Amino acid sequence: ETGVTQSPTHLIKTRGQQVTLRCSSQSGHNTVSWYQQALGQGPQFIFQYYREEENGRGNFPPRFSGLQFPNYSSELNVNALELDDSALYLCASSPPTSGGSRNTGELFFGEGSRLTVL
Amino acid sequence: SQQGEEDPQALSIQEGENATMNCSYKTSINNLQWYRQNSGRGLVHLILIRSNEREKHSGRLRVTLDTSKKSSSLLITASRAADTASYFCATAAAYNQGGKLIFGQGTELSVKP
Repeated sequence: ETGVTQSPTHLIKTRGQQVTLRCSSQSGHNTVSWYQQALGQGPQFIFQYYREEENGRGNFPPRFSGLQFPNYSSELNVNALELDDSALYLCASSPPTSGGSRNTGELFFGEGSRLTVL
Repeated sequence: SQQGEEDPQALSIQEGENATMNCSYKTSINNLQWYRQNSGRGLVHLILIRSNEREKHSGRLRVTLDTSKKSSSLLITASRAADTASYFCATAAAYNQGGKLIFGQGTELSVKP
Protein backbone atom coordinates (compact mmCIF):
# COMPACT_ATOMS: atom_id res chain seq x y z
CA GLU A 1 0.00 0.00 0.00
CA THR A 2 1.46 3.33 -1.08
CA GLY A 3 -1.24 5.56 0.38
CA VAL A 4 -2.08 6.92 -3.09
CA THR A 5 -5.71 6.38 -4.00
CA GLN A 6 -7.34 6.76 -7.39
CA SER A 7 -10.96 6.83 -8.49
CA PRO A 8 -12.76 5.45 -10.29
CA THR A 9 -10.97 2.12 -10.73
CA HIS A 10 -12.74 1.29 -13.98
CA LEU A 11 -14.89 3.29 -16.35
CA ILE A 12 -16.29 3.06 -19.86
CA LYS A 13 -16.88 6.07 -22.06
CA THR A 14 -17.79 6.64 -25.68
CA ARG A 15 -15.78 8.52 -28.24
CA GLY A 16 -16.15 12.30 -27.94
CA GLN A 17 -17.09 12.26 -24.26
CA GLN A 18 -15.10 13.82 -21.43
CA VAL A 19 -13.66 12.10 -18.36
CA THR A 20 -12.28 13.21 -14.99
CA LEU A 21 -9.97 10.96 -12.98
CA ARG A 22 -9.08 11.69 -9.38
CA CYS A 23 -6.06 11.05 -7.22
CA SER A 24 -5.29 11.54 -3.53
CA SER A 25 -1.58 11.71 -2.86
CA GLN A 26 0.23 10.14 0.05
CA SER A 27 0.28 12.26 3.19
CA GLY A 28 3.17 14.73 3.11
CA HIS A 29 3.71 14.46 -0.65
CA ASN A 30 3.44 17.74 -2.57
CA THR A 31 4.09 16.52 -6.12
CA VAL A 32 1.72 14.50 -8.29
CA SER A 33 2.49 12.96 -11.67
CA TRP A 34 0.14 11.32 -14.16
CA TYR A 35 1.09 8.53 -16.56
CA GLN A 36 -0.78 6.72 -19.32
CA GLN A 37 -0.09 3.01 -19.79
CA ALA A 38 -1.43 1.32 -22.90
CA LEU A 39 -1.82 -2.45 -22.86
CA GLY A 40 1.56 -4.18 -23.08
CA GLN A 41 3.52 -0.92 -22.90
CA GLY A 42 5.44 1.00 -20.28
CA PRO A 43 3.87 4.08 -18.67
CA GLN A 44 4.18 7.38 -20.55
CA PHE A 45 4.48 10.69 -18.72
CA ILE A 46 1.50 13.02 -19.17
CA PHE A 47 2.36 15.82 -16.74
CA GLN A 48 3.43 16.67 -13.21
CA TYR A 49 1.97 19.13 -10.72
CA TYR A 50 4.02 20.77 -8.02
CA ARG A 51 2.50 23.25 -5.58
CA GLU A 52 -0.68 23.49 -7.70
CA GLU A 53 1.13 24.39 -10.93
CA GLU A 54 1.98 22.24 -13.95
CA ASN A 55 5.68 21.60 -13.61
CA GLY A 56 6.34 19.53 -16.72
CA ARG A 57 4.42 17.97 -19.57
CA GLY A 58 4.93 15.01 -21.86
CA ASN A 59 3.92 14.64 -25.49
CA PHE A 60 0.16 14.78 -24.98
CA PRO A 61 -2.32 17.14 -26.68
CA PRO A 62 -4.02 20.02 -24.82
CA ARG A 63 -7.22 18.01 -24.42
CA PHE A 64 -5.34 16.33 -21.57
CA SER A 65 -5.43 18.79 -18.66
CA GLY A 66 -5.06 18.64 -14.93
CA LEU A 67 -5.41 20.35 -11.62
CA GLN A 68 -3.76 20.11 -8.24
CA PHE A 69 -5.60 21.30 -5.16
CA PRO A 70 -4.25 22.91 -1.96
CA ASN A 71 -4.39 19.51 -0.21
CA TYR A 72 -2.17 18.18 -3.08
CA SER A 73 -4.86 15.90 -4.49
CA SER A 74 -5.17 16.04 -8.25
CA GLU A 75 -7.48 15.55 -11.22
CA LEU A 76 -6.77 14.48 -14.78
CA ASN A 77 -9.31 15.64 -17.36
CA VAL A 78 -9.48 14.32 -20.89
CA ASN A 79 -11.80 15.97 -23.40
CA ALA A 80 -13.04 14.69 -26.77
CA LEU A 81 -12.11 11.11 -25.97
CA GLU A 82 -10.59 9.00 -28.75
CA LEU A 83 -10.39 5.22 -29.02
CA ASP A 84 -6.60 5.38 -28.46
CA ASP A 85 -7.18 6.98 -25.06
CA SER A 86 -8.16 3.55 -23.76
CA ALA A 87 -5.48 2.78 -21.19
CA LEU A 88 -4.58 2.48 -17.52
CA TYR A 89 -4.08 5.96 -16.05
CA LEU A 90 -1.65 6.01 -13.17
CA CYS A 91 -1.18 8.70 -10.59
CA ALA A 92 2.00 8.90 -8.56
CA SER A 93 2.99 11.17 -5.72
CA SER A 94 6.42 12.06 -4.40
CA PRO A 95 7.70 13.80 -1.29
CA PRO A 96 9.37 17.21 -1.08
CA THR A 97 13.07 17.19 -2.02
CA SER A 98 15.89 19.62 -1.37
CA GLY A 99 15.83 20.46 -5.07
CA GLY A 100 12.12 21.21 -5.10
CA SER A 101 10.61 19.67 -8.20
CA ARG A 102 13.94 19.27 -10.01
CA ASN A 103 14.94 15.89 -8.65
CA THR A 104 12.94 12.89 -9.73
CA GLY A 105 13.27 10.31 -7.03
CA GLU A 106 11.04 7.45 -6.04
CA LEU A 107 7.43 7.65 -7.15
CA PHE A 108 4.56 6.17 -5.14
CA PHE A 109 1.89 4.90 -7.52
CA GLY A 110 -1.82 4.35 -7.04
CA GLU A 111 -3.57 1.29 -8.46
CA GLY A 112 -4.73 3.18 -11.53
CA SER A 113 -7.96 3.99 -13.32
CA ARG A 114 -8.69 1.76 -16.30
CA LEU A 115 -10.46 3.73 -19.03
CA THR A 116 -12.14 2.04 -21.97
CA VAL A 117 -13.32 4.22 -24.84
CA LEU A 118 -15.88 2.65 -27.18
CA SER B 1 10.13 6.26 -29.30
CA GLN B 2 11.49 7.97 -26.23
CA GLN B 3 11.17 4.82 -24.20
CA GLY B 4 14.14 2.75 -23.29
CA GLU B 5 14.60 -0.81 -24.37
CA GLU B 6 14.31 -3.78 -22.05
CA ASP B 7 15.60 -7.23 -22.70
CA PRO B 8 14.26 -9.87 -22.67
CA GLN B 9 10.61 -8.97 -23.22
CA ALA B 10 9.62 -12.15 -21.41
CA LEU B 11 11.50 -14.51 -19.11
CA SER B 12 10.36 -17.84 -17.66
CA ILE B 13 12.39 -19.54 -14.93
CA GLN B 14 12.01 -22.07 -12.13
CA GLU B 15 11.78 -21.13 -8.47
CA GLY B 16 15.22 -20.81 -6.93
CA GLU B 17 16.90 -19.70 -10.16
CA ASN B 18 18.24 -16.21 -10.73
CA ALA B 19 16.55 -13.76 -13.11
CA THR B 20 18.45 -11.06 -14.99
CA MET B 21 16.78 -8.23 -16.87
CA ASN B 22 18.55 -5.60 -18.92
CA CYS B 23 17.67 -2.01 -19.75
CA SER B 24 19.18 0.43 -22.23
CA TYR B 25 18.42 4.13 -22.41
CA LYS B 26 19.22 7.06 -24.66
CA THR B 27 19.94 10.24 -22.70
CA SER B 28 22.26 11.33 -19.90
CA ILE B 29 20.60 10.54 -16.62
CA ASN B 30 20.37 11.76 -13.04
CA ASN B 31 19.19 8.36 -11.82
CA LEU B 32 17.71 5.07 -12.97
CA GLN B 33 14.94 3.24 -11.14
CA TRP B 34 13.36 -0.18 -11.31
CA TYR B 35 9.66 -0.78 -10.70
CA ARG B 36 7.50 -3.88 -10.47
CA GLN B 37 3.90 -4.23 -11.66
CA ASN B 38 1.54 -7.08 -10.88
CA SER B 39 -1.15 -7.83 -13.49
CA GLY B 40 -1.77 -4.28 -14.74
CA ARG B 41 -2.04 -2.79 -11.28
CA GLY B 42 0.00 0.05 -9.80
CA LEU B 43 3.77 0.13 -9.98
CA VAL B 44 5.89 -0.50 -6.92
CA HIS B 45 9.31 1.09 -6.59
CA LEU B 46 12.12 -1.43 -6.08
CA ILE B 47 15.41 0.42 -6.19
CA LEU B 48 17.04 3.66 -7.36
CA ILE B 49 20.64 3.98 -8.55
CA ARG B 50 22.25 7.36 -9.14
CA SER B 51 24.39 8.18 -12.14
CA ASN B 52 27.57 8.22 -10.04
CA GLU B 53 26.89 4.73 -8.62
CA ARG B 54 27.84 1.49 -10.34
CA GLU B 55 26.11 -1.14 -8.22
CA LYS B 56 23.44 -1.28 -5.56
CA HIS B 57 21.87 -4.05 -3.50
CA SER B 58 18.53 -4.38 -1.75
CA GLY B 59 17.67 -7.76 -0.29
CA ARG B 60 17.61 -10.24 -3.20
CA LEU B 61 17.94 -7.45 -5.76
CA ARG B 62 21.19 -6.31 -7.35
CA VAL B 63 21.28 -3.44 -9.81
CA THR B 64 24.24 -2.39 -11.93
CA LEU B 65 24.61 0.77 -13.99
CA ASP B 66 27.04 1.42 -16.84
CA THR B 67 26.64 5.04 -17.93
CA SER B 68 29.25 4.66 -20.69
CA LYS B 69 27.05 2.02 -22.33
CA LYS B 70 23.81 3.66 -21.18
CA SER B 71 22.63 0.37 -19.72
CA SER B 72 21.51 -1.21 -16.48
CA SER B 73 20.71 -4.69 -15.26
CA LEU B 74 18.46 -6.01 -12.51
CA LEU B 75 19.31 -9.35 -10.94
CA ILE B 76 16.81 -11.14 -8.72
CA THR B 77 18.47 -13.99 -6.86
CA ALA B 78 16.77 -17.14 -5.58
CA SER B 79 13.50 -16.25 -7.30
CA ARG B 80 10.11 -17.15 -5.86
CA ALA B 81 6.72 -17.67 -7.49
CA ALA B 82 5.66 -14.39 -5.86
CA ASP B 83 8.25 -12.56 -7.99
CA THR B 84 6.07 -13.20 -11.04
CA ALA B 85 5.32 -9.72 -12.41
CA SER B 86 6.37 -7.18 -15.02
CA TYR B 87 9.53 -5.22 -14.30
CA PHE B 88 10.22 -1.76 -15.69
CA CYS B 89 13.28 0.43 -15.70
CA ALA B 90 12.74 4.19 -15.65
CA THR B 91 15.23 7.01 -16.15
CA ALA B 92 15.25 10.57 -14.87
CA ALA B 93 17.12 12.88 -17.24
CA ALA B 94 20.24 14.70 -16.08
CA TYR B 95 18.61 18.02 -16.93
CA ASN B 96 15.29 19.09 -15.49
CA GLN B 97 12.38 17.70 -17.49
CA GLY B 98 9.71 18.65 -15.04
CA GLY B 99 9.80 15.44 -13.09
CA LYS B 100 9.47 13.17 -16.11
CA LEU B 101 10.49 9.52 -15.85
CA ILE B 102 11.01 7.61 -19.10
CA PHE B 103 9.92 4.00 -18.73
CA GLY B 104 11.04 1.03 -20.74
CA GLN B 105 8.65 -1.49 -22.33
CA GLY B 106 9.10 -3.90 -19.47
CA THR B 107 10.17 -7.49 -18.93
CA GLU B 108 7.46 -9.99 -18.06
CA LEU B 109 8.89 -12.45 -15.53
CA SER B 110 7.22 -15.78 -14.83
CA VAL B 111 8.59 -17.88 -11.96
CA LYS B 112 7.26 -21.43 -11.95
CA PRO B 113 6.96 -23.31 -8.63
